[in-house]
Amino acid sequence: KAGVTQTPRYLIKTRGQQVTLSCSPISGHRSVSWYQQTPGQGLQFLFEYFSETQRNKGNFPGRFSGRQFSNSRSEMNVSTLELGDSALYLCASSLEGGNGANVLTFGAGSRLTVL
Amino acid sequence: LAKTTQPISMDSYEGQEVNITCSHNNIATNDYITWYQQFPSQGPRFIIQGYKTKVTNEVASLFIPADRKSSTLSLPRVSLSDTAVYYCLVGDEGNTGFQKLVFGTGTRLLVSP
Repeated sequence: KAGVTQTPRYLIKTRGQQVTLSCSPISGHRSVSWYQQTPGQGLQFLFEYFSETQRNKGNFPGRFSGRQFSNSRSEMNVSTLELGDSALYLCASSLEGGNGANVLTFGAGSRLTVL
Repeated sequence: LAKTTQPISMDSYEGQEVNITCSHNNIATNDYITWYQQFPSQGPRFIIQGYKTKVTNEVASLFIPADRKSSTLSLPRVSLSDTAVYYCLVGDEGNTGFQKLVFGTGTRLLVSP
């Protein structure tokens, strides 16, 4: 079956702009979580959605937001981009999420560069 | 807050067994321990998961002592293609009661010929 699909794979923005990233989970997976990965901070949890509801949120400013649609597809948005937002943004899906027993399947990520 | 501690890096040679230990002193009763592998510019990939004692699959073994405060990922006979970053993961009870998964810094494994 198809894996987790993230689009776009690469994008370049300038400071102050906003960006929207998309994630299509594995069919049947209802939980989608987002992560930011940078060389200095490693993999950091952004938020998790389940049945269109945000269940958990990491320690990121309000400029980072997300949503989930009824078909479980998810988007994340970053407004007023800063240079420090340059990172690989990873999306992961799982059947139910919300429990460490659920295995995450990750997408290939969206590489954002902010100039 | 459940946190993990792993060695930053490890070096090995082809054909050797590699053991990567993860410390998770604050693991909660219902936490599972999961290991992921990540290659550059790719998302992490599931390797193995366990709750207690020993788990083995076709690529690795996971050893978890009785107190569950640490775990060891064992990779038998590594090859060059095992060069990657390995993450140990435990759950973290978020304020909504649902767990979010907290990644540690990972261990960068370099396998040489």
